[in-house]
Amino acid sequence: DAKTTQPPSMDCAEGRAANLPCNHSTISGNEYVYWYRQIHSQGPQYIIHGLKNNETNEMASLIITEDRKSSTLILPHATLRDTAVYYCIVRRRRTYKYIFGTGTRLKVLA
Amino acid sequence: DGGITQSPKYLFRKEGQNVTLSCEQNLNHDAMYWYRQDPGQGLRLIYYSQIVNDFQKGDIAEGYSVSREKKESFPLTVTSAQKNPTAFYLCASSGTDYSNQPQHFGDGTRLSIL
Repeated sequence: DAKTTQPPSMDCAEGRAANLPCNHSTISGNEYVYWYRQIHSQGPQYIIHGLKNNETNEMASLIITEDRKSSTLILPHATLRDTAVYYCIVRRRRTYKYIFGTGTRLKVLA
Repeated sequence: DGGITQSPKYLFRKEGQNVTLSCEQNLNHDAMYWYRQDPGQGLRLIYYSQIVNDFQKGDIAEGYSVSREKKESFPLTVTSAQKNPTAFYLCASSGTDYSNQPQHFGDGTRLSIL
């Protein structure tokens, strides 16, 4: 299974876009990229996922590079409530397993 | 509301006692999962089940047991054989295993061994 690498922490000013990078250089063609976030003492919350095309939903956008070796999660207008640990996960299609790393701790500053 | 309910939120037990954590889902999902999270760490898979009456070990199954008698329920027992059971336990569910649908998580049970 492909591994992911994320910066341990980032700060973002409230109202600005938060861009969270993820490296998954060993990803294979049938592996999806998922993003979750976890607020302290709660379960992870699903944000978005994609295979090779860019994706957007009401929470965020996911930009996947053409070679699929990295991706960026974009929160377009960060709020204080977006302060959380963000996990980038690669999952092989037709398998059960998520490999969680330690994620990026995003702090949104007022 | 559809979702995953874990109970209790906090659980305290004496060393050497078995303890069972509850997980119920009303999302009509076939697959269910148990994860363990230690402070500052990501999640590690304990057990998973793709269908009723069937389950498989994950990466850290030693000292744990599960059952899947009903589609909506997947209880986890932390046995006395688990050397370091104090942790945050998360249950998740998803559609059929052979899909790209995301897993949905409950809000967890924090277990402390006294």
